[in-house]
Amino acid sequence: GIQVEQSPPDLILQEGANSTLRCNFSDSVNNLQWFHQNPWGQLINLFYIPSGTKQNGRLSATTVATERYSLLYISSSQTTDSGVYFCAGDSSNTGKLIFGQGTTLQVKP
Amino acid sequence: DTAVSQTPKYLVTQMGNDKSIKCEQNLGHDTMYWYKQDSKKFLKIMFSYNNKELIINETVPNRFSPKSPDKAHLNLHINSLELGDSAVYFCASSQVLAGGHGETQYFGPGTRLLVL
Repeated sequence: GIQVEQSPPDLILQEGANSTLRCNFSDSVNNLQWFHQNPWGQLINLFYIPSGTKQNGRLSATTVATERYSLLYISSSQTTDSGVYFCAGDSSNTGKLIFGQGTTLQVKP
Repeated sequence: DTAVSQTPKYLVTQMGNDKSIKCEQNLGHDTMYWYKQDSKKFLKIMFSYNNKELIINETVPNRFSPKSPDKAHLNLHINSLELGDSAVYFCASSQVLAGGHGETQYFGPGTRLLVL
């Protein structure tokens, strides 16, 4: 099966800073999602982005499918952005999402 | 209105017991999933059902048995619970398009299972 690698594993930011999270895939995927798991454990959809660029407020994501990576940009970070960010992909056309190990983000006031 | 709901949210039980976790989605999706998140936050798929038919069955002990009475529900029954079953179990749903391409998966709030 595919391998999903996220970097960095941990990130500490001061409120207001920008950051870029990266997700690399070992094989091509046709379903790629970014999630935020908040401190209460809830998994929140951020983007469904198998290719191209999307923006939602302070967050944007870009997937370069031919090079098998995706980036999540967080601008003007806030303390509420803290939590774990996961990317996940499906290479089998079955909906079987393979998750990366996550990036744990802490935003300090 | 909750899109994907799970009950119970917390489950504390003794080793050897049998327990069930229920999942319901009101999104009209045709595919539902169970994922397990371990203590290191790693998420792994366990099962998926499409229109009540088992599609994905990962290497999961046969003490775990999913049941889908209709396409809006996917329950997880666990027999003879073991300490290592302690984890957070997430249910999810999505619409699978023609050709098998899946769309966004929406996750429930999770069920925190602790086996003593």
